[in-house]
Amino acid sequence: QQQVKQSPQSLIVQKGGISIINCAYENTAFDYFPWYQQFPGKGPALLIAIRPDVSEKKEGRFTISFNKSAKQFSLHIMDSQPGDSATYFCAASMGSGGYNKLIFGAGTRLAVHP
Amino acid sequence: DAGITQSPRHKVTETGTPVTLRCHQTENHRYMYWYRQDPGHGLRLIHYSYGVKDTDKGEVSDGYSVSRSKTEDFLLTLESATSSQTSVYFCAISERVPYNSPLHFGNGTRLTVT
Repeated sequence: QQQVKQSPQSLIVQKGGISIINCAYENTAFDYFPWYQQFPGKGPALLIAIRPDVSEKKEGRFTISFNKSAKQFSLHIMDSQPGDSATYFCAASMGSGGYNKLIFGAGTRLAVHP
Repeated sequence: DAGITQSPRHKVTETGTPVTLRCHQTENHRYMYWYRQDPGHGLRLIHYSYGVKDTDKGEVSDGYSVSRSKTEDFLLTLESATSSQTSVYFCAISERVPYNSPLHFGNGTRLTVT
């Protein structure tokens, strides 16, 4: 059972365009939603994260939008650059009950063409 | 980069043999995790540790065992390797539960079971 569903599996965007990656979760107890970025040959690294007390969080060209009622969140990359070409993972966790895990989506491979 | 070393970086082994992967950290973080990464499945949690000798199962723990006898080392053992365990294995560490601190990943171990 996949607790965090991510789409699309792959994405091709032209330089300067907007990249959008979507995730949906099932467990309503989740209340922490990070995005990780992974370059080839490397481990993932935290990119940006959101908690459900806000509907949007922006850091530079990266924005997370969060819709609690729909149990969905998305990553928007504005003015996409070739250096953004990587695999992106959404994830979910919770702050209650001593929850020690971070559950990841299946990943989206982004290619930004010059 | 967080001080995480995974060894070996690459390994080829035969079906039925035991295999041990090592994760060593120099950050003195309490939490350590083993994930496997497979196309279409993203990152799936195998086992994790919340302290010395304190471990618990993740989503895909069958066929794997772990041990943590020291804060800095977390070992993953495939008791009898199968072809379905061919994957890239990532170790991750975090200072506190994922809700309160990011995961830092090693650069992975590519395991091939023939």
